[in-house]
Amino acid sequence: AQTIHQWPVAEIKAVGSPLSLGCTIKGKSSPNLYWYWQATGGTLQQLFYSITVGQVESVVQLNLSASRPKDDQFILSTEKLLLSHSGFYLCAWSLPGENTLYFGEGSRLIVV
Amino acid sequence: GEQVEQLPSILRVQEGSSASINCTYENSASNYFPWYKQEPGENPKLIIDIRSNMERKQTQGLIVLLDKKAKRFSLHITDTQPGDSAMYFCAASEGKNMGYKLTFGTGTSLLVDP
Repeated sequence: AQTIHQWPVAEIKAVGSPLSLGCTIKGKSSPNLYWYWQATGGTLQQLFYSITVGQVESVVQLNLSASRPKDDQFILSTEKLLLSHSGFYLCAWSLPGENTLYFGEGSRLIVV
Repeated sequence: GEQVEQLPSILRVQEGSSASINCTYENSASNYFPWYKQEPGENPKLIIDIRSNMERKQTQGLIVLLDKKAKRFSLHITDTQPGDSAMYFCAASEGKNMGYKLTFGTGTSLLVDP
């Protein structure tokens, strides 16, 4: 069975500090991978998606970047955090050729 | 791109009654409409979905209806229980393998009073 793991579970970071959030999918070959962001009480905003290793498409510019260094790994990062980066970051996957999304457990970020 | 409107934003019902959430979309090419349930502090979980070749789908106390002509779809929860209290999100996507074009509604906070 497929598993999706996000890390860290939660972080408190200072404005201007760097950030790296990770996501690993096991049990599925070449999944489509996604990063979503959710403000407290807000909707789900798609940030990035990747169909294959090394290729990442940006959906919304929020001073964040994403990379897919391995087939089963998706990384979200920034060099300098802003207060507005606070929220819930969700990694998701779908099968190639399908559009049903399955979300990971999420990483909660508080920027102070 | 797609725009999805979701109403109501807050819904409060008595246990045992039904609850309905409505969504509208703009892109006539959209053909996949999932619904997600999100409990406080947790990730969204897919509860039911419908594709454009159907008008109605039902599973475990959930009914989704799709009106392509009106570009409207809805979720109906029958015999609500306190455990149904959560945020619910609708979404719309066009085409096969278009998960990267899944657009979410603004969410409905459902509270079921015992």
